[in-house]
Amino acid sequence: KAGVTQTPRYLIKTRGQQVTLSCSPISGHRSVSWYQQTPGQGLQFLFEYFSETQRNKGNFPGRFSGRQFSNSRSEMNVSTLELGDSALYLCASSGQGKWYEQYFGPGTRLTVT
Amino acid sequence: AQSVTQPDIHITVSEGASLELRCNYSYGATPYLFWYVQSPGQGLQLLLKYFSGDTLVQGIKGFEAEFKRSQSSFNLRKPSVHWSDAAEYFCAVGHSGAGSYQLTFGKGTKLSVIP
Repeated sequence: KAGVTQTPRYLIKTRGQQVTLSCSPISGHRSVSWYQQTPGQGLQFLFEYFSETQRNKGNFPGRFSGRQFSNSRSEMNVSTLELGDSALYLCASSGQGKWYEQYFGPGTRLTVT
Repeated sequence: AQSVTQPDIHITVSEGASLELRCNYSYGATPYLFWYVQSPGQGLQLLLKYFSGDTLVQGIKGFEAEFKRSQSSFNLRKPSVHWSDAAEYFCAVGHSGAGSYQLTFGKGTKLSVIP
């Protein structure tokens, strides 16, 4: 079974731009969570989607948004990028009834200049 | 609010030596506890989890962890470390409510292994 895939793996953007990151969960998994990882703040929860509905959101500004499609693929968008948004963005998926078994993708490394 | 503390930022051990990584949590109810490992340039891999029952849990790659409610701890152990264990280790507490789920992570402990 293929694992969680994230595209692109690396991205360089300029302040003020916006960016969209993509996550394809493991086949059959309907829950997708996003996390931001930085050296200073560590791993922080962004949001979680299940069956195209956002069920939970972390403490991030409204510039961070996401969505999930009917095939469970998810995207997250960051608008008006700031230097502090430079981070590794990790996506994780889990199967129904097994939310605790989160399988992580390799992440997208975003650099904002 | 839930929180996880990993007191050791960086630990260095010799190959073959035993290992213990510390984790303390703060959570109001019975916690769901996890240990993840992250190799450079990789995502997180689940090593083991604790929900209830036996307080000593076994995981992959020869790791185990012991849940101690009185100490609010969930320390990770391995009897003999291999060079391939060099990575960053994250302890996490999972919590659910109103149909939503999330993990709160500690800041991580970086493990270096001396050959």
